Amino acid sequence: DQQVKQNSPSLSVQEGRISILNCDYTNSMFDYFLWYKKYPAEGPTFLISISSIKDKNEDGRFTVFLNKSAKHLSLHIVPSQPGDSAVYFCAASSNTDKLIFGTGTRLQVFP
Amino acid sequence: GAVVSQHPSRVICKSGTSVKIECRSLDFQATTMFWYRQFPKKSLMLMATSNEGSKATYEQGVEKDKFLINHASLTLSTLTVTSAHPEDSSFYICSARGNRGRNIQYFGAGTRLSVL
Repeated sequence: DQQVKQNSPSLSVQEGRISILNCDYTNSMFDYFLWYKKYPAEGPTFLISISSIKDKNEDGRFTVFLNKSAKHLSLHIVPSQPGDSAVYFCAASSNTDKLIFGTGTRLQVFP
Repeated sequence: GAVVSQHPSRVICKSGTSVKIECRSLDFQATTMFWYRQFPKKSLMLMATSNEGSKATYEQGVEKDKFLINHASLTLSTLTVTSAHPEDSSFYICSARGNRGRNIQYFGAGTRLSVL
């Protein structure tokens, strides 16, 4: 049972435009959400997180939106840059240390 | 801050041998570290949670005698794949829970294990 889902395996966006990566979850006990970026053969790098008491968190070009009623979160990257090309994982946790990861979305930003 | 070092980055071994992977938190103390495994084009699957000074907690389906975890200090956890077989070939990644923010884990660069 995949508790965290990223239904788009890939996304292609032109440089300068907005990239929107989506993530859905099923477990209503999740109350903390994170986005990680991963390059091939490297470990994930933490990007941004959001607590369930908020619906938006912004850090530079990255903004995460949380819709609890829909059990949906999204990561917006604007403007997108070629260096943003990577696989993006969303992750969720409840009141434990564990992170449950989605299957990832491969973002490609082209010139 | 929050740098996690994982070593080795790549290892090739013969079937039946044991391989040890180290995970170090370089600039912070980590009472809790995690070991993941990633199959090609798949998500990161948590194998076990490593707690300093106590036994690791393994996820369902992970053989604790196969994947030995030791967390002897606040900055070092090791994963030993015992009697490795070709099906153990995978990308293994460790992480450490940092002090910044709740449940933010910082990851090592991963270890690509190839068992011949």
